[in-house]
Amino acid sequence: QKEVEQNSGPLSVPEGAIASLNCTYSDRGSQSFFWYRQYSGKSPELIMSIYSNGDKEDGRFTAQLNKASQYVSLLIRDSQPSDSATYLCAVILSGSARQLTFGSGTQLTVLP
Amino acid sequence: DAEITQSPRHKITETGRQVTLACHQTWNHNNMFWYRQDLGHGLRLIHYSYGVQDTNKGEVSDGYSVSRSNTEDLPLTLESAASSQTSVYFCASSSGLSSGANVLTFGAGSRLTVL
Repeated sequence: QKEVEQNSGPLSVPEGAIASLNCTYSDRGSQSFFWYRQYSGKSPELIMSIYSNGDKEDGRFTAQLNKASQYVSLLIRDSQPSDSATYLCAVILSGSARQLTFGSGTQLTVLP
Repeated sequence: DAEITQSPRHKITETGRQVTLACHQTWNHNNMFWYRQDLGHGLRLIHYSYGVQDTNKGEVSDGYSVSRSNTEDLPLTLESAASSQTSVYFCASSSGLSSGANVLTFGAGSRLTVL
């Protein structure tokens, strides 16, 4: 079992819809969670970080964390074609100090 | 503006040659990391450093080495390049000093092809 798992997709949603991206992790002691966006041929850039159970909202983006079920999700409301990218989930596993372990990413396409 | 710079951006080399990828950051970050990215594998950690003279092996460190002689630089060396090391390499850094200290800032990446 991979330590951080994501559906590879591709996931396609129509413009204006809600895109839902999911990530599960194996280490129950993990404390820090991140979502990065990566456009094709570019480097990853941070969208959201979340450390506590519940929801965290930033504009059109909402990160949801459920430590009991060991998943973290990213919702993108009013999806735009410019949101088309690969979304990477990253987790700091317990005992790994300051290292991020990444999932393999979910490719999202927003159709005009 | 602070930045993290990787060079070269593209490199083609032959099997068995030594290759060094440079990473230079002006964020004054303590923590620096090297990842490789391959289709289906996401980002995998090669080596990392938490400060000058500190280096540590990551998940996929075989065939790679790093050294940290100052805060700004963490060069990645492939001692004898192999075709399996064809990949995109990303350098990243983080401050490591406070909450949010583990947020990574990435360089633009170095695409390495080993023939």
